[in-house]
Amino acid sequence: AQKVTQAQTEISVVEKEDVTLDCVYETRDTTYYLFWYKQPPSGELVFLIRRNSFDEQNEISGRYSWNFQKSTSSFNFTITASQVVDSAVYFCALGKMIYNQGGKLIFGQGTELSVKP
Amino acid sequence: DTEVTQTPKHLVMGMTNKKSLKCEQHMGHRAMYWYKQKAKKPPELMFVYSYEKLSINESVPSRFSPECPNSSLLNLHLHALQPEDSALYLCASSQGERAGTSGRFRKTQYFGPGTRLLVL
Repeated sequence: AQKVTQAQTEISVVEKEDVTLDCVYETRDTTYYLFWYKQPPSGELVFLIRRNSFDEQNEISGRYSWNFQKSTSSFNFTITASQVVDSAVYFCALGKMIYNQGGKLIFGQGTELSVKP
Repeated sequence: DTEVTQTPKHLVMGMTNKKSLKCEQHMGHRAMYWYKQKAKKPPELMFVYSYEKLSINESVPSRFSPECPNSSLLNLHLHALQPEDSALYLCASSQGERAGTSGRFRKTQYFGPGTRLLVL
């Protein structure tokens, strides 16, 4: 069965601190795709990154970085020098293809990040 | 442009009302999705349309009726809802994958801002 676990329900940091959001996944597939989304209080899910399982290079985008480790089935997300605008719920998701039907995302439970000034 | 629009932003309806939620995208995507999200929970997939055909129905009650009039539009018709149906309804779109495709789901889904529905 495919599953995504985000063990941290809530994290609270002070502005300018670094913070890491954990994501652990389970899948029997040898190749797969992982995603991170941000959901601010307004409600819209904002796409952050997509990573395929055969590319283990870490990714950096400004203050955001992602650490993918296939050996531990983890795809962690780090925000460097956090800002109040980073306050949101962050979801990690695993792509699942259902043959002859279509694709779907398996979401983790989400981590609510609160960045205080 | 990665914009998906949804109307209305907020909706209050009684249990006997009929209403519709609308979703639109102009990215040329051929897959569109409806999700339901309760507070403090991840989105739950309801329906998937692929090339304007319903491809996935996650055992959603018949009081929710999806419709895909064309490749840019997706509707969700609501009838005789229950208070527990109150939630944020999110629409998403992605590039399509043809029926019979094996392999891995790799298409990025882009979400709209959602409709906050309250059923009284």
